[in-house]
Amino acid sequence: SQQGEEDPQALSIQEGENATMNCSYKTSINNLQWYRQNSGRGLVHLILIRSNEREKHSGRLRVTLDTSKKSSSLLITASRAADTASYFCAWSSNYQLIWGAGTKLIIKP
Amino acid sequence: DAGITQSPRHKVTETGTPVTLRCHQTENHRYMYWYRQDPGHGLRLIHYSYGVKDTDKGEVSDGYSVSRSKTEDFLLTLESATSSQTSVYFCAISLVSGRGDTQYFGPGTRLTVL
Repeated sequence: SQQGEEDPQALSIQEGENATMNCSYKTSINNLQWYRQNSGRGLVHLILIRSNEREKHSGRLRVTLDTSKKSSSLLITASRAADTASYFCAWSSNYQLIWGAGTKLIIKP
Repeated sequence: DAGITQSPRHKVTETGTPVTLRCHQTENHRYMYWYRQDPGHGLRLIHYSYGVKDTDKGEVSDGYSVSRSKTEDFLLTLESATSSQTSVYFCAISLVSGRGDTQYFGPGTRLTVL
């Protein structure tokens, strides 16, 4: 993509394991956000990290941001079946929100 | 829950017919957005609104128009639907500062154009 990308496109892990997904972008940003989408549903905001922050936690979620590498990662610890969903990053630049193509996460029981 | 509803939730129509999708919010938020979601593309912005009768184009606005005559309603119209407009359409709102702010999404409308 000309704007950025997410990887992996799909990830399948056992329940209880940690899941890591990555997001790369190409512009300077104001903030970067992560969203979850369950099958057939709308997107739900998970966490926002500002450009001057390097790491942020929310429950079992840990987000890192490396502006020098223009990349972010989302770590979900101790995964559960309910974490099965698609995860999207979106970065804010010049008051626009630009979206990655998403990572599909499957948690196997 | 930002109180966003979309109607209809599912629609099948034929090429060349006009289609209007409705987004309704209950909390008088200023900023509203229409996106389409297609496999492999993430979300793409169609149009957005920053107030009543104030709208602007997104990256994929061709073939779409919008109207916002009341704060709570944002309508997306396909004047003459084409098969390439088969997609899932999401409405979103943001609470505070505009397009870079956290967005809250409706449940989506699945549109099929035959």
